[in-house]
Amino acid sequence: GESVGLHLPTLSVQEGDNSIINCAYSNSASDYFIWYKQESGKGPQFIIDIRSNMDKRQGQRVTVLLNKTVKHLSLQIAATQPGDSAVYFCAERLSGSARQLTFGSGTQLTVLP
Amino acid sequence: EAQVTQNPRYLITVTGKKLTVTCSQNMNHEYMSWYRQDPGLGLRQIYYSMNVEVTDKGDVPEGYKVSRKEKRNFPLILESPSPNQTSLYFCASSLYTSGRWDTQYFGPGTRLTVL
Repeated sequence: GESVGLHLPTLSVQEGDNSIINCAYSNSASDYFIWYKQESGKGPQFIIDIRSNMDKRQGQRVTVLLNKTVKHLSLQIAATQPGDSAVYFCAERLSGSARQLTFGSGTQLTVLP
Repeated sequence: EAQVTQNPRYLITVTGKKLTVTCSQNMNHEYMSWYRQDPGLGLRQIYYSMNVEVTDKGDVPEGYKVSRKEKRNFPLILESPSPNQTSLYFCASSLYTSGRWDTQYFGPGTRLTVL
């Protein structure tokens, strides 16, 4: 079956630096991808999404890049702040699937002072 | 405020004692889903519902039941809980418009411990 995974389980960055969190997906038929942020004790919070007909999408301080050729997704956070410390999940949805999303296991981002 | 609510937030119970975790959303979303989250395994879907009276199994449905009698509510039922169902549970909902799914919104989570 399809799977979504993350290259690194943990990532530490200095406050003010840019962060890049990577994600690999295995199903080329996936048409929608989402990044979620989960803080300790809270539910996943939507950050940004991208559809398969796009390569890049920008939000406030965040950018998602999609490379369909190598089935790779990344989340870039500009000027990382202490409040960005959390677990970040990527998720993919198989086109036409009613089961919605398949999640990766997450990357723990720690922002160092 | 648009939100997904779950109750209870924390529950400690014993093996075999039936329990229900409620989920409610006020966004008029058609789609609702239950996930469990375990260390190293990420979020795994238990059951989902595409609309009232329509439910289907996700990846890990064994030991769980759901119902969707109203659009806003999607309770998760554990008829005979076992210790391997100790986990963090999330309810989520999303809009389904013109054949396309919208962003999925998550509730705050229910921490369940089965002794």
